[in-house]
Amino acid sequence: AQKVTQAQTEISVVEKEDVTLDCVYETRDTTYYLFWYKQPPSGELVFLIRRNSFDEQNEISGRYSWNFQKSTSSFNFTITASQVVDSAVYFCALSEEYDNAGNMLTFGGGTRLMVKP
Amino acid sequence: EAQVTQNPRYLITVTGKKLTVTCSQNMNHEYMSWYRQDPGLGLRQIYYSMNVEVTDKGDVPEGYKVSRKEKRNFPLILESPSPNQTSLYFCASSSHSQGRAEAFFGQGTRLTVV
Repeated sequence: AQKVTQAQTEISVVEKEDVTLDCVYETRDTTYYLFWYKQPPSGELVFLIRRNSFDEQNEISGRYSWNFQKSTSSFNFTITASQVVDSAVYFCALSEEYDNAGNMLTFGGGTRLMVKP
Repeated sequence: EAQVTQNPRYLITVTGKKLTVTCSQNMNHEYMSWYRQDPGLGLRQIYYSMNVEVTDKGDVPEGYKVSRKEKRNFPLILESPSPNQTSLYFCASSSHSQGRAEAFFGQGTRLTVV
């Protein structure tokens, strides 16, 4: 069965520091999708990125970047020059192409990021 | 505007009193799912539905029921709530069941069972 591990439960940084959130996954499928979601204090889930298993190119979107490495089964998320508004819980998630249990998404436990001014 | 709407947003209830959390989506999505979020555990799937009248258990279905009589609605029913069902609940919908499309989430329902 698939599994997602976010070993960092809480990270605290000072504004303008760079921070990397780790995500390690397990899957037996060769086709799968990886996601990151942000949950701000207001509680909703905000979609950040979706990446399929055949696309190992790193992605950059403004201050956000993602590093996908199949060799280490990792999909890490870096925030450059962090800001207070980045304070949130971040979830990494996995979806398998041929999941017989119908799991839409398997989530990691989340990483709470606190950015202090 | 494409959205998933859950109601209520907050609910405090007593043990054993039946309740229903509603979920509605306006995107004509076939696939809908319920998750619960607990500290350190992330989100875990309770039930899912691949289409009208097609539902199945997820990872943590005990104590919950669902129905899918219409494509847009997927209510979550707690027949006899217990304190261990105190949690944050999310409904989600997608045009595909396996990650090929973005999942849209409702705003969440914070349930407290006393």
